This record gives sequence, C-alpha cells and structure tokens, in this order.
Amino acid sequence: SQQGEEDPQALSIQEGENATMNCSYKTSINNLQWYRQNSGRGLVHLILIRSNEREKHSGRLRVTLDTSKKSSSLLITASRAADTASYFCATRAAGNKLTFGGGTRVLVKP
Amino acid sequence: EAQVTQNPRYLITVTGKKLTVTCSQNMNHEYMSWYRQDPGLGLRQIYYSMNVEVTDKGDVPEGYKVSRKEKRNFPLILESPSPNQTSLYFCASSSPSGRGETQYFGPGTRLLVL
Repeated sequence: SQQGEEDPQALSIQEGENATMNCSYKTSINNLQWYRQNSGRGLVHLILIRSNEREKHSGRLRVTLDTSKKSSSLLITASRAADTASYFCATRAAGNKLTFGGGTRVLVKP
Repeated sequence: EAQVTQNPRYLITVTGKKLTVTCSQNMNHEYMSWYRQDPGLGLRQIYYSMNVEVTDKGDVPEGYKVSRKEKRNFPLILESPSPNQTSLYFCASSSPSGRGETQYFGPGTRLLVL
C-alpha cells in the first residue's frame, strides 16, 4: 500500500519558475524523505526531514512538514531544465520500512 | 566511489526460466532492500535485509527469493518468472540498519518476461 501520495501527478513549468509539489501520508512517521529520479534511472536522495522538524532547506530546495495535517511540500526555486525528473516522497514509520508514493513528474521547459 | 551496482541492467527472458539479479554495495551498509517500480504504482518493496543472514518480506514478496550470505551482496532470485514480474527493479542500501537514514539506489534492472 502507498503511504505517501504526491500531488500533482505531473507539473510543467518554465525555466526560472518555482515548482511546488505536495505529499500526504496516512500514519505517524519518524521522518519523511524526498527523492529524485531521472527517467529510468535510480532514485537519488534529496532531503530528509524528521517528524520534529517543520522546515528544512538544501540549496534551491525547501521542504516543509506538517504532522498535524500529515503532509509535506517540496519547493524547488528558480528551476532549471536539469530539474526535469520525477520526485518521490518516502515516509519512514516505526521500524525500518520506507514507503514511497507514486511520484510527481516535473517538466521544466527551457 | 560509493555505489550500489546491479547486474544485468537489462534482461529479456521467458516464463519459467530461473534468473538472478545481483546487487552489490561497497559502503559496508547493513540494510539492503529490493523494490520494483511499475507505472502508477510507485516503488513497492519486495524483500529487505537487516544484516547478514537476516531477511524479511516486504509488500510484494510473492514469486521472489533473496539471500544475504555476505554483507555486500543481496541477490534477487526469480525461481519461475511470470509475465506479471515484468518491471523495473531497484536495489538499495543504507546504514545503520536503515533507521532514519537515506537509501542509496542502484541504477535499476529492466526485466521483460515473455
């Protein structure tokens, strides 16, 4: 079963614009992670936010976490063509299981 | 270079012909895992291993076997592949024991079962 559900499923923006995608989950978590996947390639970890954190930054990435709403958002600022990829949220609940959502496909047009 | 490797990267086979997909990591990670990725279903965990000789089922273990005889290797075995196992497979590893840590993914193995 999918713990995380990303929204929107697909996003198309112009280079330089910001891209925002959301992730909702169902059960309590220890942390939430965002990954990027270029077409047909392996996933690459972007950022991890723990359940006691509300916001985290890494370069052009900003992640927020609202545990009361069981949701997270990933913002990519000043997008580049190289940001074109699929983005997945993954939640880690008690134990070691990491559960992935279905992903958001982002297309950044030059 | 720290990495997770998988072989083969692409494989076409026929129903019932046993196959093994190898996975190896050079980061001394305790935790390793196999996922399959299908359109619209995201990544689903097949099996995982907390350490040598310790394996457990994930969400979709049917039709698969794994073994963990050495820390660095975690092969995925399909004893009798069927067309519904056509998918993109990823191996991943992390440490310590996967708790709270990020996972490093291999490049993927694209499998077609005819």
